[in-house]
This record gives sequence, structure tokens and C-alpha cells, in this order.
Amino acid sequence: DAMVIQNPRYQVTQFGKPVTLSCSQTLNHNVMYWYQQKSSQAPKLLFHYYDKDFNNEADTPDNFQSRRPNTSFCFLDIRSPGLGDAAMYLCATSRPIAGDEQFFGPGTRLTVL
Amino acid sequence: SQKIEQNSEALNIQEGKTATLTCNYTNYSPAYLQWYRQDPGRGPVFLLLIRENEKEKRKERLKVTFDTTLKQSLFHITASQPADSATYLCALGGVSGGSYIPTFGRGTSLIVHP
Repeated sequence: DAMVIQNPRYQVTQFGKPVTLSCSQTLNHNVMYWYQQKSSQAPKLLFHYYDKDFNNEADTPDNFQSRRPNTSFCFLDIRSPGLGDAAMYLCATSRPIAGDEQFFGPGTRLTVL
Repeated sequence: SQKIEQNSEALNIQEGKTATLTCNYTNYSPAYLQWYRQDPGRGPVFLLLIRENEKEKRKERLKVTFDTTLKQSLFHITASQPADSATYLCALGGVSGGSYIPTFGRGTSLIVHP
């Protein structure tokens, strides 16, 4: 089945210790997104890729970086995690068509100690 | 600034009744509106899309309305079941550049009691 996969499902890191979250897709979609979602809050878009073109949201902290080495894979790097970065991180994909559905992965729950 | 409002209080209903969830927005003229379902600890799953020129959409037990004058969408689940218990998020997309990127509301939790 075509899908969006995120690894790991749960990640524990220490304050200030870099962490990388990964996402892969078998849908061959042009667009990949990274969202941050905290409890009972809306998913907050951090950035997205249209193919290789990277688009950063204006309010995404510099602490967050991303890489997309190919169509299938996308990575989220948090260079120096703070306690406030503890959240669910969601990867999604879509075609670049207005109204087209987004396909989400199961998410990675990040805990910062 | 643009604002999407969904009731933060959980909606509790009895099995078999119709659940109605509301999505209101301000300072926004979306070209389309989507509804997603999110289960605890999981990513959202797409349910329905309705465009600005459509008043109503149906899919099985689901119905969505879109009133661009009231700036409101209603999401109905008829004959609700305990398995419908989840958080339902609305997402709005505009006509400007990057219009394939919707903005999400915080969602409303639905609890269907047997």
C-alpha cells in the first residue's frame, strides 16, 4: 500500500542534543511537509518542499532545518532541542493541487529531557 | 490576522444521534475547506473537501456545508457510532500562491457514547 512512513515513532533526546527525524513516502508526491503539533493544538507548518524547492515558514525557528535528498525521503533536524520543542512531528505529502488531500504519516513523538 | 475557530470543548453525544461540528473563520477568503479525522497519537486522515462554489458535500454518513457569507462550515456525522470518536480538524486553503497548502484548525474532539 502506498503510504507515508515516519521513524522513529517515539524519540527521546536531551536538552541541546541534536536529533533527526525521518520521513519516507511511496506515493511519489511532489510536495512534502513537516508539521509540529502540540497537545490540543492545530498542526503548525514548519516548512515544505515542492520537489527540491525548500519553503520555510516565516516563524519557523532557525533551530529547525530540513533536507530532502530525493523524492521519497525528507528529514527534520533539530539542532539544539529545547523543552518547548517537545511535540508530535508530522510528515505529510500531497500533489501540488489546490484542495488535494494531504497524506500524513503516523508522527514522531519527541520528548526532550 | 487569519483565524480558524473550532470548539475546544469536546462534543459528547449518544450513539445513533447526529454529531455536528463547527468551523468558523475570520479574515480569510478560502477557495476550499477540508475536514480531517485525527485519532490520538496518529496523523490526520482526510475525509472531505468542499470548494467555495459548493454549498454541500456528502460521503456516506458524512455531510459538510460551506457558507462563505457566514464564514462557517458545518460537519455532520449521521447515525454516529462509538468508532467515530476522534478529533476532527478543519483546514482552509486560499487562492494565493501556495494555495495547495491548507491552514489547520485545532480540531474538536467528538465522543460518541454507546
